[in-house]
Amino acid sequence: AQTVTQSQPEMSVQEAETVTLSCTYDTSENNYYLFWYKQPPSRQMILVIRQEAYKQQNATENRFSVNFQKAAKSFSLKISDSQLGDTAMYFCAFTPGWETSGSRLTFGEGTQLTVNP
Amino acid sequence: GAVVSQHPSRVICKSGTSVKIECRSLDFQATTMFWYRQFPKKSLMLMATSNEGSKATYEQGVEKDKFLINHASLTLSTLTVTSAHPEDSSFYICSARDAGGHRYNEQFFGPGTRLTVL
Repeated sequence: AQTVTQSQPEMSVQEAETVTLSCTYDTSENNYYLFWYKQPPSRQMILVIRQEAYKQQNATENRFSVNFQKAAKSFSLKISDSQLGDTAMYFCAFTPGWETSGSRLTFGEGTQLTVNP
Repeated sequence: GAVVSQHPSRVICKSGTSVKIECRSLDFQATTMFWYRQFPKKSLMLMATSNEGSKATYEQGVEKDKFLINHASLTLSTLTVTSAHPEDSSFYICSARDAGGHRYNEQFFGPGTRLTVL
């Protein structure tokens, strides 16, 4: 069974600064996908960024980037130039890469990020 | 693309009544849909996996007769909370996986339904 751990229940950052959210996971799979989802106060789940395990290059989406360390089973999210709209709960998630998995997602406990003006 | 809708967004019902929540994939076909429950400031808890044309697979501890799931078409899955009680009050979220087999096994999420049972 897979597990995902987010050890920071809450974090805060000043507007325009950089913040890193931590995520570790445990799996015996070799092929899998990792995601960071954002859930703002509206509670709509929004995909922030995704990473394929067989790709060594870290994924980047504008101000969001990841530090994927496969051997350490670590998948942290870096948010640069933080904006007030980044205030949200952030969830790290894992899914196996094989079709028969049905793309079942395993979520971490979440990190509540607050961006202060 | 990849939009999932849920209806209703909010529902208040009396204890003992049944409530149906619909989840629709608007611009893609979904062979698999998922139903989650979320408590305030907590993570999403998977309740069941719904496959089109077959019975849903429920997670351990989720009552099948309490939470009826139907996935009758490639664009619609429904969750019916039967004989609802106050402890069923929660935020319910559905998600859908593109039948086209998205390379990331990605799920697309609905906006959620807040259920309040009085």
